[in-house]
Amino acid sequence: DGGITQSPKYLFRKEGQNVTLSCEQNLNHDAMYWYRQDPGQGLRLIYYSQIVNDFQKGDIAEGYSVSREKKESFPLTVTSAQKNPTAFYLCASSIQTGQSNQPQHFGDGTRLSIL
Amino acid sequence: GNSVTQMEGPVTLSEEAFLTINCTYTATGYPSLFWYVQYPGEGLQLLLKATKADDKGSNKGFEATYRKETTSFHLEKGSVQVSDSAVYFCALSDPGDDYKLSFGAGTTVTVRA
Repeated sequence: DGGITQSPKYLFRKEGQNVTLSCEQNLNHDAMYWYRQDPGQGLRLIYYSQIVNDFQKGDIAEGYSVSREKKESFPLTVTSAQKNPTAFYLCASSIQTGQSNQPQHFGDGTRLSIL
Repeated sequence: GNSVTQMEGPVTLSEEAFLTINCTYTATGYPSLFWYVQYPGEGLQLLLKATKADDKGSNKGFEATYRKETTSFHLEKGSVQVSDSAVYFCALSDPGDDYKLSFGAGTTVTVRA
C-alpha cells in the first residue's frame, strides 16, 4: 500500500541534542511538508518542499532544518536552538503544489519529548 | 493573510445525535476547503473537500457546503456513532499563498453510547 511512513513513533531528546525525524513516502508525490501540533493550536507549518533539492520556510522554521535529497524522503532535524521542542510532529505530502484542490496526505506522526 | 476559525470544543453528543461544527475562513485568493479528521495517536485523514463555491463535499455520512457569500464550510452529520469520536480540522488551500494549508485549531468531538 502507498503511504507516508514516519519514524520513530516516539522520540526522546536530552537538552542540547539535535534529533532527526524521518519521513518517507512512496506515493510519488512532488511536495512534502512538516507540521508541528500542540494542544489546542491546530497544525503549524515548519518547512515545505515542492521539488527535490529545494525547500522553503513555513511559519515556525526557527530551530529546525530539513533536506530534500530524494523525492521520497524529507527528514526534519530539531536542533538545540529549538527551545520548546516537545510536540507532535506530522509529515505530509501532496501530488503537486500547482493545484490547490489536491489534498495533503499525512503520516501517523512522531511524538518528541524532552528528558 | 489566511485564517480559519472553528467553533470551540469539546463537543459531547449521544449516539444518533446531529453534529454541526462551524468553520469560517479568511483568504486572499479563491481557496479550496477541506475537513480532516484525527483519531487518537494518529495523523490526519482527509474527510472531504470542496474546490469552488456551492460545491458540497461528502464522505461517511458527513457533508459540508462551500459558501462563498458567508465564507463558511460547516461540517454536518445527521446521526453520529461512537466511532466518530475524534478531532476535526477545517483547512484551506489558497493559490495566493503558495497552496499551503492553513488549519483551524481543531474541534474535539466525543460521542457517548
